[in-house]
Amino acid sequence: DAGVTQSPTHLIKTRGQQVTLRCSPISGHKSVSWYQQVLGQGPQFIFQYYEKEERGRGNFPDRFSARQFPNYSSELNVNALLLGDSALYLCASRYRDYNSPLHFGNGTRLTVT
Amino acid sequence: DQQVKQNSPSLSVQEGRISILNCDYTNSMFDYFLWYKKYPAEGPTFLISISSIKDKNEDGRFTVFLNKSAKHLSLHIVPSQPGDSAVYFCAASATDFNKFYFGSGTKLNVKP
Repeated sequence: DAGVTQSPTHLIKTRGQQVTLRCSPISGHKSVSWYQQVLGQGPQFIFQYYEKEERGRGNFPDRFSARQFPNYSSELNVNALLLGDSALYLCASRYRDYNSPLHFGNGTRLTVT
Repeated sequence: DQQVKQNSPSLSVQEGRISILNCDYTNSMFDYFLWYKKYPAEGPTFLISISSIKDKNEDGRFTVFLNKSAKHLSLHIVPSQPGDSAVYFCAASATDFNKFYFGSGTKLNVKP
């Protein structure tokens, strides 16, 4: 079975631009979460969606938005990019919302210049 | 606020010996804990979990211990192998939370 897939793998953008990152969860997983990981730190929570509804939002500005589609895939959008948005963006899916581990994709490496 | 802490940025162990990675947390509501391994250019890979109703969980060479009174968990790898060399993250959540809190990671180097 395919794991969590993310696209693109790498992206270079200029300050002020907008970016869309995509994620397909493991088949049968209805929960998708997005995390940001900067060098030397652990992943930081951005969003969680379950059955197409936003269930949680981390401490990120409104420039960050996301959505989940009927097939449970998800997109993360970041507007007005800043240099500090450069990071590894990880998508994770989960079988259920309790006592169930997150399964991560390989991430999208975003570089903002 | 950093609710999950891994105070050792790195650990070096000889092949065949035990690796012990530690993690401390501050939120007493946390009731579900995970360990992940991460290689460069890959996403974190789930290793093992433990819920707060247990104090130990084993899966092959990996054992996780939970000390709720001390708000401490540890991952034991026995025997350690060179392929275990990676960054290890602990993570914690609670039933009513929609997110996991991650530590900053410990880089394990297993020397042949």
